[in-house]
Amino acid sequence: QSALTQPPSASGSPGQSVTISCTGTSSDVGYYNYVSWYQQHPGKAPKLMIYEVTKRPSGVPDRFSGSKSGNTASLTVSGLQAEDEADYYCSSYAGNNNLLFGGGTKLTVL
Amino acid sequence: QLQLQESGPGLVRPSETLSLICTVSAGSISSTSYYWGWIRQPPGKGLEWIGSIYYSGSTYYNPSLKSRVTISVDTSKNQFSLKLTSVTAADTAVYYCARHRAGYSNYWGQGTLITVSS
Repeated sequence: QSALTQPPSASGSPGQSVTISCTGTSSDVGYYNYVSWYQQHPGKAPKLMIYEVTKRPSGVPDRFSGSKSGNTASLTVSGLQAEDEADYYCSSYAGNNNLLFGGGTKLTVL
Repeated sequence: QLQLQESGPGLVRPSETLSLICTVSAGSISSTSYYWGWIRQPPGKGLEWIGSIYYSGSTYYNPSLKSRVTISVDTSKNQFSLKLTSVTAADTAVYYCARHRAGYSNYWGQGTLITVSS
């Protein structure tokens, strides 16, 4: 099993929207609706932002949204704020209780 | 609020076995709804799932690490543990324990840096 593919970097100005992609295969992202997204600030543990493709845990701002089309999932951050600057990782269930992570995307708020 | 805390030696010699324990508090490791897993992150790199265990003892491992990994659970202590054998410098990473289900982890430990060096 290979890691999911994410762009290494993304950026946007405050107030703008930015979308981060996560590409897998028909055996993971494309097959299961179990894609999740994590935000990680330096030196901190990852924080769950989106699960099951589109669901937000309690406390996560609705500026964060998730979607999926075919083998590619996406995280959109609307109304960018300075505190959104962080690394973002996608993850997908890959069957047989296996999990895959993406390589991570560094989001910069300009 | 559920809490997870990793513990173990910060330094492991090459070719030896890395051993970590995750202690779960404010919640039961015997919950039938969740799995308990280990995830690692080499310095400056991305996340890698190592493996997971159900309270019953059923285990699931990353195929790339399967030959070197053992995860076990001690429900009486509300703990689960990781053993990784024959470590090399490539195993240097922050190791996280986490609670997860169906592809997502909603509770993580703070992580512990394990350095493999002589």
